[in-house]
Parts: sequence; structure tokens; C-alpha cells
Amino acid sequence: NAGVTQTPKFQVLKTGQSMTLQCAQDMNHEYMSWYRQDPGMGLRLIHYSVGAGITDQGEVPNGYNVSRSTTEDFPLRLLSAAPSQTSVYFCASSYSLAGGYNEQFFGPGTRLTVL
Amino acid sequence: KNEVEQSPQNLTAQEGEFITINCSYSVGISALHWLQQHPGGGIVSLFMLSSGKKKHGRLIATINIQEKHSSLHITASHPRDSAVYICAVSRNTGNQFYFGTGTSLTVIP
Repeated sequence: NAGVTQTPKFQVLKTGQSMTLQCAQDMNHEYMSWYRQDPGMGLRLIHYSVGAGITDQGEVPNGYNVSRSTTEDFPLRLLSAAPSQTSVYFCASSYSLAGGYNEQFFGPGTRLTVL
Repeated sequence: KNEVEQSPQNLTAQEGEFITINCSYSVGISALHWLQQHPGGGIVSLFMLSSGKKKHGRLIATINIQEKHSSLHITASHPRDSAVYICAVSRNTGNQFYFGTGTSLTVIP
């Protein structure tokens, strides 16, 4: 199993550009999520999905869009990049077990710089 | 407000020392997670626990549900243990996780 994969590893954008960060998992996990990690702050939830066709907003959703057409893939779209979106982005997945007793598996991260 | 607080923020130790990282949380949880992140690297799960104590090699994680507190211990620390250690909690209601800001550990040879 490849686990959780993310592409690209690094990306530089200009303000106003759009792009899609890719995330895929091969563990048949129902739950997938996107986080951003900024210096001095904990991981913050952007969007999450509890299954194909179902997505919801997290703590910091503005400026981002997601879709979940298959169990495996959960892309994150930046609609119009801003310097405030410079961050490291992590995708994660987990089984959906009753009671929230889930171990999360993280992708390797995408380091995004917006100029 | 932070649902999860970690201490210390930064920690430097000599190789061989016993290390403790603390985590306190303020919400009802179904599980507490300890994660490890190496510089420039991804995040891996070390422990997931809902009660008592777990041990894996030189790492030990404990949780006190009544006090809403967990500790991560590293015995006989080694420079390869240098990393950021993150405490996170998952709640009873759904699959959302709340993360601490991490403890940056440096172990000097």
C-alpha cells in the first residue's frame, strides 16, 4: 500500500493564480481531511469528507474548495491564491469508526508559497 | 482558545536523558494521539490511547482521563528522536481532530 500520497511536494504560485493539490489514499478509508500547518500554530482543519460525495467545512475553509467523487481521491483547490495561503498542507485519512476512535494517516505534505 | 495545550514548546536534552512532554485538553475526547514530525518530513502516528498506558520501544504514553492530561516519555533519548511531537485529540462527535502546537525536541549527542 502506498498509504496517503500528495502531489506536488513543492509549489510556488503568484497571487491570483489557481491550482489543485492532489491527495489519494489506497486504504479504503472513509474519512479524509485537509490541514494547513503554519509556524507557531497547530494543524488547522480546512475541509473534510466522511465519504464519497460528502464534504464539509473545517476551521479555515475560506479560499479553498474540495470535492470527493471517489473514496480514493480528495483534491483541494485554491481558487485565487493569496500570500496568506503560504503554508504546508497535509492531507490525512482514517477509518470511520464509531465513537471517533480513529488513527489518522498523513500524507507527506505540500509546501506552498504564494508570492 | 486552544482545546489542546502542550508543554514545553521547546526542549533540548543530552543524549541518554529521560524526556517528558505534557499535553492537557479541555474537551471530552474519545482518544488522544501522539504524533511525530521530523524536520521537513511528514507526520506519523506514534500512539492512540483512550486510557492507561502504552509502550513502544523507548516511547511510553500515558493518559489520565479524569485530569484530562497525557504525557509522552522518551527513555534513553537519542539524537534521532529530535523532532516535533504533536498531541491531538479526537472527539466523541464525529471524526474531527484538535491539535496542540507541538513540542520541538532536540537531543544533543
